[in-house]
Amino acid sequence: QVQLVQSGAEVKKPGASVKVSCKASGYTFTSYGISWVRQAPGQGLEWVGWISAYNGNTNFAQKFQGRVTMTTDTSTGTAYMELMSLRSDDTAVYYCARLATPYYYYMDVWGKGTTVTVPS
Amino acid sequence: QSALTQPRSVSGSPGQSVTISCTGTSGDVGGYNYVSWYQQHPDKAPKLMIYDVSKRPSGVPDRFSGSKSGNTASLTISGLQAEDEADYYCCSYAGSYTYVFGTGTKVTVL
Repeated sequence: QVQLVQSGAEVKKPGASVKVSCKASGYTFTSYGISWVRQAPGQGLEWVGWISAYNGNTNFAQKFQGRVTMTTDTSTGTAYMELMSLRSDDTAVYYCARLATPYYYYMDVWGKGTTVTVPS
Repeated sequence: QSALTQPRSVSGSPGQSVTISCTGTSGDVGGYNYVSWYQQHPDKAPKLMIYDVSKRPSGVPDRFSGSKSGNTASLTISGLQAEDEADYYCCSYAGSYTYVFGTGTKVTVL
């Protein structure tokens, strides 16, 4: 079945970086992209950005530009999101989701989430 | 990019209908027919319920429906059931391969 399996929880110090992985299975990885969405404790969903697994093109929400990188490893079907210069307000659950702009414009398969904690 | 505006909460009795609004701008909701809706139960990942304004993925009950008028999209749950109690988020394409989510609405089944 189609699924996205994310890496385990992380605790990082302020100013450090975190790299979260998302391994896809059950579909042709390079036919879609991966979107990253985060949710701070008790808060709503926030779109972070997207990477095409086909050509590696990326697009980020303005507030994350310069602080986030997204990559893929097509040999293993894995997407990565690295967030740098971490602050306490980056504490959140980070989800990956399948997305295929411009072929379709919705996130139909989601990972279970990775909790990133940045103590203040 | 500002979050789309949703009511904080809506409620209804079993069997009733509730509607959640999602208001954006001409740069997102009003400019594209690419609004999707997600259901999220506590401590769970979001689940796609509606895409392209009004289309339902396979397996989503037909009591969930979506529509759009101008800069406002809506999700209606007809015949409310206990398992529909959850948080709901709209999401719109905002151009240049970017997306924006709504503020989220908690649906309570009385």
